[in-house]
Amino acid sequence: KNQVEQSPQSLIILEGKNCTLQCNYTVSPFSNLRWYKQDTGRGPVSLTIMTFSENTKSNGRYTATLDADTKQSSLHITASQLSDSASYICVVSDRGSTLGRLYFGRGTQLTVWP
Amino acid sequence: EADIYQTPRYLVIGTGKKITLECSQTMGHDKMYWYQQDPGMELHLIHYSYGVNSTEKGDLSSESTVSRIRTEHFPLTLESARPSHTSQYLCASRGQGLQSKSTDTQYFGPGTRLTVL
Repeated sequence: KNQVEQSPQSLIILEGKNCTLQCNYTVSPFSNLRWYKQDTGRGPVSLTIMTFSENTKSNGRYTATLDADTKQSSLHITASQLSDSASYICVVSDRGSTLGRLYFGRGTQLTVWP
Repeated sequence: EADIYQTPRYLVIGTGKKITLECSQTMGHDKMYWYQQDPGMELHLIHYSYGVNSTEKGDLSSESTVSRIRTEHFPLTLESARPSHTSQYLCASRGQGLQSKSTDTQYFGPGTRLTVL
């Protein structure tokens, strides 16, 4: 069964600290993996997208890694800011259909305290 | 930034009313989607469309219906709203991204928060 599991479910850190969010997936065949940031009450916004051949992708203070062999990805946030408080969603796409089916994780709720 | 819009952003309505949630995008994307999301939970696909006059039901059973008469417009309708329909509804579209011809990105609208009393 194709699944996307994220951990931790929630995380609280102090402003300025770093943190790492995890995503494990069983989606096959694999096409690409995206990390989205979703502010409360808003739609998700894409942070990074990685294909099978990419190991690392950065977007400012956000760095995503992908290990396609172990089917794991991480999102590292450096020097966190209050505005980083949001839900971070891992989304994996398969190649099994013309639609390119998307599988969503439940997200990690990150709270950054001053 | 993505050019995909949803209206209304918030809607509080009584049971039994008919409602239409609007979604439009100006990126010329063929693929459009509707998701339902409860607080703290993952997104569930309820409808999708490959293009004009193409609509399909998603994974999560929904009493809503959709139409795709124009490429840029993908409205969702509930004929008779019930409290169980209270949720956030997210519209999305998908097409070729600028970074790579072989990958595409799904862009989300801001969502409609629906409350049925």
